[in-house]
Amino acid sequence: LAKTTQPISMDSYEGQEVNITCSHNNIATNDYITWYQQFPSQGPRFIIQGYKTKVTNEVASLFIPADRKSSTLSLPRVSLSDTAVYYCLVALRGAGSYQLTFGKGTKLSVIP
Amino acid sequence: EAGVAQSPRYKIIEKRQSVAFWCNPISGHATLYWYQQILGQGPKLLIQFQNNGVVDDSQLPKDRFSAERLKGVDSTLKIQPAKLEDSAVYLCASSLGTDAALGNTIYFGEGSWLTVV
Repeated sequence: LAKTTQPISMDSYEGQEVNITCSHNNIATNDYITWYQQFPSQGPRFIIQGYKTKVTNEVASLFIPADRKSSTLSLPRVSLSDTAVYYCLVALRGAGSYQLTFGKGTKLSVIP
Repeated sequence: EAGVAQSPRYKIIEKRQSVAFWCNPISGHATLYWYQQILGQGPKLLIQFQNNGVVDDSQLPKDRFSAERLKGVDSTLKIQPAKLEDSAVYLCASSLGTDAALGNTIYFGEGSWLTVV
């Protein structure tokens, strides 16, 4: 089974747009990509999910290119409260089965 | 809507002792998951239930870990005997549908923090 790859950490100033990319291969055509936010001492919190092109909700956008080998979480105008670890979750498929696999996470630090 | 409930929140035990964690999923959710998250790493799936049947337990160390979901609602994860490397957060999660790969969102509890000394 293949794995996912995310940058280990990112820094951003308040008010900027932040883009975090997750690389993943071997995902099926209709499989969703889901992103979570996790604060210290808390469980992961759902942010957004999609399986093609672009999805937008009140907190983030998700961009998925046609080849689906990666996805990018976009956080508009981050604030200090967005400092957290961000994970992508995909179904990595092998022969006849799949495993829901988290990336290792990207630690986002928002600087005043 | 109530979220996924877990207890205890924190537990410290000595190696070779046993521990049990309890989870109550979101009402009506058919699928329940137990994840292990070691400090600094992403969550790793231990076991997945659909109602009261096991869907995937390929990464569960079956010599010391066991889990059950009687009546298809609450679940218990047990570790016996515990090792130092079992120190981690144990996250319970649930989803309404059975195939998270196809967009059935997984919702997580706050986790049970285990320290083995």
